[in-house]
Amino acid sequence: AQSVSQHNHHVILSEAASLELGCNYSYGGTVNLFWYVQYPGQHLQLLLKYFSGDPLVKGIKGFEAEFIKSKFSFNLRKPSVQWSDTAEYFCAVGADGSARQLTFGSGTQLTVLP
Amino acid sequence: DTGVSQNPRHKITKRGQNVTFRCDPISEHNRLYWYRQTLGQGPEFLTYFQNEAQLEKSRLLSDRFSAERPKGSFSTLEIQRTEQGDSAMYLCASSPPSRGQGTYEQYFGPGTRLTVT
Repeated sequence: AQSVSQHNHHVILSEAASLELGCNYSYGGTVNLFWYVQYPGQHLQLLLKYFSGDPLVKGIKGFEAEFIKSKFSFNLRKPSVQWSDTAEYFCAVGADGSARQLTFGSGTQLTVLP
Repeated sequence: DTGVSQNPRHKITKRGQNVTFRCDPISEHNRLYWYRQTLGQGPEFLTYFQNEAQLEKSRLLSDRFSAERPKGSFSTLEIQRTEQGDSAMYLCASSPPSRGQGTYEQYFGPGTRLTVT
């Protein structure tokens, strides 16, 4: 069975700082990869997704992520964070090219200080 | 609002009681999923429907849990003889028909928070 690790449980940044959140998965086959965000009091929303092709994917609100197959990683990046980016971020993996049964990481709480 | 809706949003019940949650997916989404999320964790997959057929079930889904999607539209998740360990946020998600192998994303609802006392 696949698993997902998000090593940073809580990240605190000042506005305009650069962000990189780590996501590593364990699965040897084809994967679909996702980042979801949960803003305070809101439901999970899709930030970006990777199915195939260009390993650098761009999502909403200036976020991007890079799939590095050799490192089993799908790190999330943003060059300059804003206070409104304060939220919990979840990485998720769908194994065998399937997006049915997603396996989520435990999440990273990002706090951006104004 | 045309997103995934879930009812009720909050449910407090006593141990041993049965509870039922409802999920209404986005219109024309033929795939529907249930997840459970506990504090400090990411969502854990419970079960998956394509139209009215329940195609996948997690080992987390004990025999006290049952899910239905009778007409391929809304879905219900029932927990019988609730236990304190069932306290969690129950999330529903839906997906549109696939545009290719595995190429569909899941849209989540607001969840139903269950507290078992």
